Amino acid sequence: RKEVEQDPGPFNVPEGATVAFNCTYSNSASQSFFWYRQDCRKEPKLLMSVYSSGNEDGRFTAQLNRASQYISLLIRDSKLSDSATYLCVVNMAGAGKSTFGDGTTLTVKP
Amino acid sequence: GAVVSQHPSWVICKSGTSVKIECRSLDFQATTMFWYRQFPKQSLMLMATSNEGSKATYEQGVEKDKFLINHASLTLSTLTVTSAHPEDSSFYICSASGTDNSYEQYFGPGTRLTVT
Repeated sequence: RKEVEQDPGPFNVPEGATVAFNCTYSNSASQSFFWYRQDCRKEPKLLMSVYSSGNEDGRFTAQLNRASQYISLLIRDSKLSDSATYLCVVNMAGAGKSTFGDGTTLTVKP
Repeated sequence: GAVVSQHPSWVICKSGTSVKIECRSLDFQATTMFWYRQFPKQSLMLMATSNEGSKATYEQGVEKDKFLINHASLTLSTLTVTSAHPEDSSFYICSASGTDNSYEQYFGPGTRLTVT
């Protein structure tokens, strides 16, 4: 079993749709959680950190469920520019290094 | 925000030659730098973790004699692909984390290596 697993995708949605991605992690000692966005042939860029209390940034909402060991990303009112691969990233306490999921590809169509 | 640069952004080399890739943190001190490799349509695969002034820690399956990593200062790490072969062709990305223990990583723009 992979340490971090994501919805396989791809997700193809129309503009304006709401889409949700889930990610599960296997190590209960994991401490920090992030969603990154990666455009084709570019480096990943931090989208948002994920906190136990949940956090929202505009159309994006991230949530963490430690008991079930999963995190989610909700995108409301999808834009064409949201088309990208979304990477779930998990850090273990004290490890420093990050474990990446395989990514979920989102395509928003007009 | 924190900026990480990589040089070169792309390189084409002949099989058997060596290629050096630089990763620099431009506006912060990076205690730890990470080197990743990404093949087309796959996720990032961590190759090694390097801390300034000490030897890099390589992930299982990554040959340390082939992928030489040097982290001589808090702002510079280098990856040298020695005796490159076509199967080493990939997108190499570095990232750096600062001293704030947030575990947030700042990624360089990547280097696309093609070995002919």
